[in-house]
Amino acid sequence: GAGVSQTPSNKVTEKGKYVELRCDPISGHTALYWYRQSLGQGPEFLIYFQGTGAADDSGLPNDRFFAVRPEGSVSTLKIQRTERGDSAVYLCASSLGQGRGYTFGSGTRLTVV
Amino acid sequence: EDQVTQSPEALRLQEGESSSLNCSYTVSGLRGLFWYRQDPGKGPEFLFTLYSAGEEKEKERLKATLTKKESFLHITAPKPEDSATYLCAVQAGTGTASKLTFGTGTRLQVTL
Repeated sequence: GAGVSQTPSNKVTEKGKYVELRCDPISGHTALYWYRQSLGQGPEFLIYFQGTGAADDSGLPNDRFFAVRPEGSVSTLKIQRTERGDSAVYLCASSLGQGRGYTFGSGTRLTVV
Repeated sequence: EDQVTQSPEALRLQEGESSSLNCSYTVSGLRGLFWYRQDPGKGPEFLFTLYSAGEEKEKERLKATLTKKESFLHITAPKPEDSATYLCAVQAGTGTASKLTFGTGTRLQVTL
């Protein structure tokens, strides 16, 4: 597609529930990133994929967070047993790598009530 | 640990009043310094990548410069449509596609 697409744009869930956030990167971009942004803060790195494999998952805060990219294109960020502190905007970005700028999606605003 | 500090946190300018935003960084092995613009409710929009000290890049009213310790984003004769949050980020590490570490941003408001 022309840009990075993230769905849903907004998600409200109850504490303790499971959520999945989807990212469709730009076609042909091999690198895909997930970031989390809280109000008034810069994006915080979670995980990055090169192709199908997670090349760096050092930013995942705990084992409730998991991400997959089974065919090297679409990625899903999965959060189990959500907590109120998980509320944030979850941003996805893709890149051709080689030090080029990322293209970000508009994000999914997750609210845990 | 890579660190990025942006100042000021917020800046209010009148239309036509030029100014600069600062990004100080501490990183081991800088591969690139990135500037992004972010509008409310949107993801960051890529502006520039700078790779080495002394490098400069320009786009319309924006000019980014880089030294070994900091980067500046100069805004010349800003217009109200330049109002946004400007984010600085550094990329380090051994891989060319490695993560970015962001600062907290400078919120710019340009008034008539």
